[in-house]
Amino acid sequence: GAVVSQHPSRVICKSGTSVKIECRSLDFQATTMFWYRQFPKQSLMLMATSNEGSKATYEQGVEKDKFLINHASLTLSTLTVTSAHPEDSSFYICSARSGTSSYNSPLHFGNGTRLTVT
Amino acid sequence: EDQVTQSPEALRLQEGESSSLNCSYTVSGLRGLFWYRQDPGKGPEFLFTLYSAGEEKEKERLKATLTKKESFLHITAPKPEDSATYLCAVQSSGYSTLTFGKGTMLLVSP
Repeated sequence: GAVVSQHPSRVICKSGTSVKIECRSLDFQATTMFWYRQFPKQSLMLMATSNEGSKATYEQGVEKDKFLINHASLTLSTLTVTSAHPEDSSFYICSARSGTSSYNSPLHFGNGTRLTVT
Repeated sequence: EDQVTQSPEALRLQEGESSSLNCSYTVSGLRGLFWYRQDPGKGPEFLFTLYSAGEEKEKERLKATLTKKESFLHITAPKPEDSATYLCAVQSSGYSTLTFGKGTMLLVSP
């Protein structure tokens, strides 16, 4: 149980183009999903909290116009990197909490998306 | 601001050589401390949640313990398949998000 699926696993795009990453909760409903970014040998850094049916909450320093988040259903959140540049190259990971009744139940993560911007 | 520091950054063990990983934390009211395992190019895989000092959890060769300032992940008689990066994260009261440490990269040689 508690499976989070993320797609694509790898994407290479040219500078200036946009890339969409999908995150799905396969066997549970997720009113909240979290998007993280991870650089090599660094910790996971929270980018934004995605709330179903409402606007996402972005962490300080994360450009909301560059990283567009949509959470249109209880099982799907998308992250769109707009006008991507080489410095956006990173490992993006989504997560969701399966226990809706438990505020501190564990987060379950997708397998991440390796974005390379050339 | 919540802080999580993991040590060592990297650890190399021989198969069967037991050891411990450390996670020191500073948090304004601990709601939960989480251990994850991350394989290269993959997302973190949940291992344990600890909620209060003195609590212990076990799973196969892994045992996690918690005090008011730190958590340990003990690995007993590790095998090569235990090689991975182990991440520690904390959740503080009033927040739904986690703060992660940088992880300990464990390599177990046969």
